[in-house]
Amino acid sequence: AQSVTQLGSHVSVSEGALVLLRCNYSSSVPPYLFWYVQYPNQGLQLLLKYTTGATLVKGINGFEAEFKKSETSFHLTKPSAHMSDAAEYFCAAKFSGGYNKLIFGAGTRLAVHP
Amino acid sequence: GAGVSQSPSNKVTEKGKDVELRCDPISGHTALYWYRQSLGQGLEFLIYFQGNSAPDKSGLPSDRFSAERTGGSVSTLTIQRTQQEDSAVYLCASSLAPGQHDEQYFGPGTRLTVT
Repeated sequence: AQSVTQLGSHVSVSEGALVLLRCNYSSSVPPYLFWYVQYPNQGLQLLLKYTTGATLVKGINGFEAEFKKSETSFHLTKPSAHMSDAAEYFCAAKFSGGYNKLIFGAGTRLAVHP
Repeated sequence: GAGVSQSPSNKVTEKGKDVELRCDPISGHTALYWYRQSLGQGLEFLIYFQGNSAPDKSGLPSDRFSAERTGGSVSTLTIQRTQQEDSAVYLCASSLAPGQHDEQYFGPGTRLTVT
């Protein structure tokens, strides 16, 4: 079945440390991949997306993600965490045969400590 | 410009009552989506509208759920005979045109609590 898995429901880092949020997908055909961020009591905001072309994608707020077909992964990284990065992050995919809808992972809540 | 707006922001209803949730998409966006965000199920697709085409209702969890989109703009999600398991945040999104690359813009959601 086509699915998106996020490893780690909660991640905690120190301010200035590397942020790494993991996302893997399951499908025979690579999907289009997205990372969204959700701040408390707000809707989802797109951070970045991978459709075709360069596998290293840069997004807003200093985040980037790399699509690795061999690992069926699309992990999100940021070199140096800021307090304002504390939020919930969702990996999502559009799979072949269903491009009109996003399939979401369960989300990862990122905490940033001083 | 204005983003996707949803109303009400919060709704508390008694079990068995009907509720209507409203979504105003970004002007000019032809595609509109409803998703549900709940503790047990995460973020789930519910329904998708594109122009005058028949909607994709494949994500609606039961026949108590329905949605319409009038005039290609505003959409209403209706839940009949609400149950406690319907408690969730209902998110609406719109996009300029459907497809692999389109970016969906999300509204702030309606938090539904069924008591």
